[in-house]
Amino acid sequence: KQEVTQIPAALSVPEGENLVLNCSFTDSAIYNLQWFRQDPGKGLTSLLLIQSSQREQTSGRLNASLDKSSGRSTLYIAASQPGDSATYLCAVPPSNQAGTALIFGKGTTLSVSS
Amino acid sequence: GAVVSQHPSRVICKSGTSVKIECRSLDFQATTMFWYRQFPKQSLMLMATSNEGSKATYEQGVEKDKFLINHASLTLSTLTVTSAHPEDSSFYICSALGQGRNEQFFGPGTRLTVL
Repeated sequence: KQEVTQIPAALSVPEGENLVLNCSFTDSAIYNLQWFRQDPGKGLTSLLLIQSSQREQTSGRLNASLDKSSGRSTLYIAASQPGDSATYLCAVPPSNQAGTALIFGKGTTLSVSS
Repeated sequence: GAVVSQHPSRVICKSGTSVKIECRSLDFQATTMFWYRQFPKQSLMLMATSNEGSKATYEQGVEKDKFLINHASLTLSTLTVTSAHPEDSSFYICSALGQGRNEQFFGPGTRLTVL
C-alpha cells in the first residue's frame, strides 16, 4: 500500500532563505508526483506535476525533483518570501496508472518571516 | 487552466440534517471526480471516486448510505451528507479529471460544521 511521508512537518525561516521540503513514498512504481500548496482553510493549488519519466520540473522560484528509484522528491524554494507561507503537500497516485485518486502526505507547514 | 468550483464554501447545520455539496468543472468535461475529506491538521483522505453515469466507488470505512454521491453530468458531481452529526464536521474537497488527462484539478473546498 502506497504511503507518503513529508519531512519536516513544520519549518520556519527568515525571508530570503532558500529551503528544501522533502517527500518520500513507499512504492516507486508511480505514474507521476504532484506538489500542491494549501493556504489555511482553503483548497489546493497545484504547483508542479512531475511525470515518472522526468527528473525535475521548474516554475519560477520553485524546483521539484523526482528520484523514483529511491522513492523521493524534493521541492526547492529559492529566495523565500512571506507570501510563500502555507502548507505544502506532496501526492502520488496509488499505482502506476493515470486517472486515479491521489495519496497525500501530511504536508509541511512553512512560515516565512519578514 | 482548468477550473473546478464547489458550492457552498461554508455550511453550518444542525445535527440530523442533510447537506448537499456541489462540485463543478467549469471549463472542461470531467469523466471522473474524486471526493476527499480533510480533518484539522491532517492530510486529505479519499472518500470516493465518482464516474459520470455510474455508481460511485467508496473507500473502505466510508458509508455509502451516509455519503451519497451523484455524478449525473460531465460537469457536476454532488456529495450529500445525510443525517449529519458533529463527527462529520470536516473540510470536503473535490477534484476533477478530464478525459485523457492525468492531472487532477481541485475545488476550493467546503467547510462543514455540524452543531
